[in-house]
Amino acid sequence: NAGVTQTPKFRVLKTGQSMTLLCAQDMNHEYMYWYRQDPGMGLRLIHYSVGEGTTAKGEVPDGYNVSRLKKQNFLLGLESAAPSQTSVYFCASRKSTTVAYGYTFGSGTRLTVV
Amino acid sequence: GQQLNQSPQSMFIQEGEDVSMNCTSSSIFNTWLWYKQDPGEGPVLLIALYKAGELTSNGRLTAQFGITRKDSFLNISASIPSDVGIYFCAGLYYTGTASKLTFGTGTRLQVTL
Repeated sequence: NAGVTQTPKFRVLKTGQSMTLLCAQDMNHEYMYWYRQDPGMGLRLIHYSVGEGTTAKGEVPDGYNVSRLKKQNFLLGLESAAPSQTSVYFCASRKSTTVAYGYTFGSGTRLTVV
Repeated sequence: GQQLNQSPQSMFIQEGEDVSMNCTSSSIFNTWLWYKQDPGEGPVLLIALYKAGELTSNGRLTAQFGITRKDSFLNISASIPSDVGIYFCAGLYYTGTASKLTFGTGTRLQVTL
C-alpha cells in the first residue's frame, strides 16, 4: 500500500529554471494538497484540489501553479524558480467524506534553489 | 496566514521522562490533530480529537481538546529514543466537506539516554 508518493525526493535548481513536482496517491482520495515547510513556520498550504480538473489557491500560492488532470495525480509547477522557494514540499490527500480524520502525507521533496 | 502558537519550540529530555507540549489559537477548531514527523519523512497522524474537553490516549500519548476549542495539549509519558522527532499540532475547521487545516510551528523533541 503505497499511500502518497512524491517524486523527486531531492532537487537542486538554478534561479529561473522550471520544474514540476509530482504527487501520486493510490487511495482513491478526492482531495489533494500541496504544502511547503520552512524552519520555524510549520506547514503552509500552497494550492489544493477538491477533485479531478479543479484547483484552488491556498495561503502562499504565488510563484506556483498546479494541475489535477487525473484523480490520482496532483502536479506542482515552478515556472521560474527563486531562492525563496527553497523549502521542503509535502503533498497530502484525503477522502471527501473523512474530513475529520486528518490528511495522509507523502514523504516530501527537498528543493534547493541556488 | 493564520498559524498556531505551539510551545515549546524544542525540548531536550532524558529517556524515561514525561513530555508536555501545547498549542493555542485565536480561532476555534472543530478538530485538533497531533502529528509526528521523523527526519526525511512526512507528518504521520498520532491522535485526533473531535470534541471540546475530550481526552484521548494512544499508548504513551495523551492529548486533550481544550474546553474553549482554541487549545490542545499533548503529553508523552516515559519517553524512549524513538520518540525523537518534530511534533506538530494542527487545527481543523470544516463546514460540510470544505476544510481548512492550520499547522503549529512544531516542537522538536530530543531524547538522550
